[in-house]
Amino acid sequence: DQQVKQNSPSLSVQEGRISILNCDYTNSMFDYFLWYKKYPAEGPTFLISISSIKDKNEDGRFTVFLNKSAKHLSLHIVPSQPGDSAVYFCAASGDTGTASKLTFGTGTRLQVTL
Amino acid sequence: NAGVTQTPKFRILKIGQSMTLQCAQDMNHNYMYWYRQDPGMGLKLIYYSVGAGITDKGEVPNGYNVSRSTTEDFPLRLELAAPSQTSVYFCASSYSSGGLAEAFFGQGTRLTVV
Repeated sequence: DQQVKQNSPSLSVQEGRISILNCDYTNSMFDYFLWYKKYPAEGPTFLISISSIKDKNEDGRFTVFLNKSAKHLSLHIVPSQPGDSAVYFCAASGDTGTASKLTFGTGTRLQVTL
Repeated sequence: NAGVTQTPKFRILKIGQSMTLQCAQDMNHNYMYWYRQDPGMGLKLIYYSVGAGITDKGEVPNGYNVSRSTTEDFPLRLELAAPSQTSVYFCASSYSSGGLAEAFFGQGTRLTVV
């Protein structure tokens, strides 16, 4: 039972254009959503987060949008840079019980081309 | 500023052998986690700990054991290695659980069981 889904395994975008990475979730107990970025041979690193009381959070070139009614969130990277090439994981958690542990999606590999 | 340190980085085990994956953090975090990542899959939680002396099972605990005698260390033990345990293992820590608490990850241990 995949509670957090990233249906696009990979995405290729030209440098300077917008990258949009999508994530869907099924557990209505999730109220917090985090994006992690992972380079090869390294551990994931935190990128940006959003709580369910917001529908948008922005940090420099990175913006996360949350549509709670659709149980969908997306990460926008504008403009995309070659150093953004990595695997991006969407993760979700709630306040209590099993939902309080981060549940990860399967990841989307982003390649930013010159 | 070490953060989360995992050793070893790589290991090849024969079926039936045992080993301990080491994890140490220097951020005084109470919460520590062990994840495994299989190819094309997200991170699956194996075990977690909310403080010294307290551990609990995650999503995929079978074949593993943990202990937490100090705040800093959270070793993962494989008693009888099986090919299904071939994976990349990540240790992580956070100051709290759930919510928007950022998890800090180690660089990972790539384990192959043959």
